Amino acid sequence: EAEVAQSPRYKITEKSQAVAFWCDPISGHATLYWYRQILGQGPELLVQFQDESVVDDSQLPKDRFSAERLKGVDSTLKIQPAELGDSAMYLCASSRIRTSQETQYFGPGTRLLVL
Amino acid sequence: KQEVTQIPAALSVPEGENLVLNCSFTDSAIYNLQWFRQDPGKGLTSLLLIQSSQREQTSGRLNASLDKSSGRSTLYIAASQPGDSATYLCAVRTRNTNAGKSTFGDGTTLTVKP
Repeated sequence: EAEVAQSPRYKITEKSQAVAFWCDPISGHATLYWYRQILGQGPELLVQFQDESVVDDSQLPKDRFSAERLKGVDSTLKIQPAELGDSAMYLCASSRIRTSQETQYFGPGTRLLVL
Repeated sequence: KQEVTQIPAALSVPEGENLVLNCSFTDSAIYNLQWFRQDPGKGLTSLLLIQSSQREQTSGRLNASLDKSSGRSTLYIAASQPGDSATYLCAVRTRNTNAGKSTFGDGTTLTVKP
């Protein structure tokens, strides 16, 4: 069964350093989502792509976060510089097309700890 | 702005009991509502997806209902098992110009004791 791949699974970094996360969606899925999940809370959408275009980045802290999906396939989320409050699980999800009926499939996540 | 609330935050039951998890939302203009399961330190697994035109969905021992007008959904788990222990999250996809943005509740952490 096809799955969403994410790497690394765990990342420890120091405050002010740069970090990057990678996501490879299920083959053929046009829509890709990045979520941030703080411990004990539900996921919060950071950015949504349709193919290579951003359709929603209203919750992305653009002064330090950036996301790209250059060829409309895999995606990278970057944080520079990292802050203590960025410690969280970063989840990637994909869906086949951008319609209301589609289920989102989630990857295993990247757990980030900022020291 | 859509707000999603899940009550209770935590629930502990003995094996074999039937139980109900609750999800409420403030904006009834939704496309659908989805229930997910999350094991500790892992990603989310989809359990059931209910479209706005539907009243309920069933999968095995799980049954999810949707009352859009009152902004409520329930997830019913029959004959609970220790393997059901996990956090259960509901997500509401709200109608907007971006074909629906998902808003998640904070989840209910379920413990089923043998």
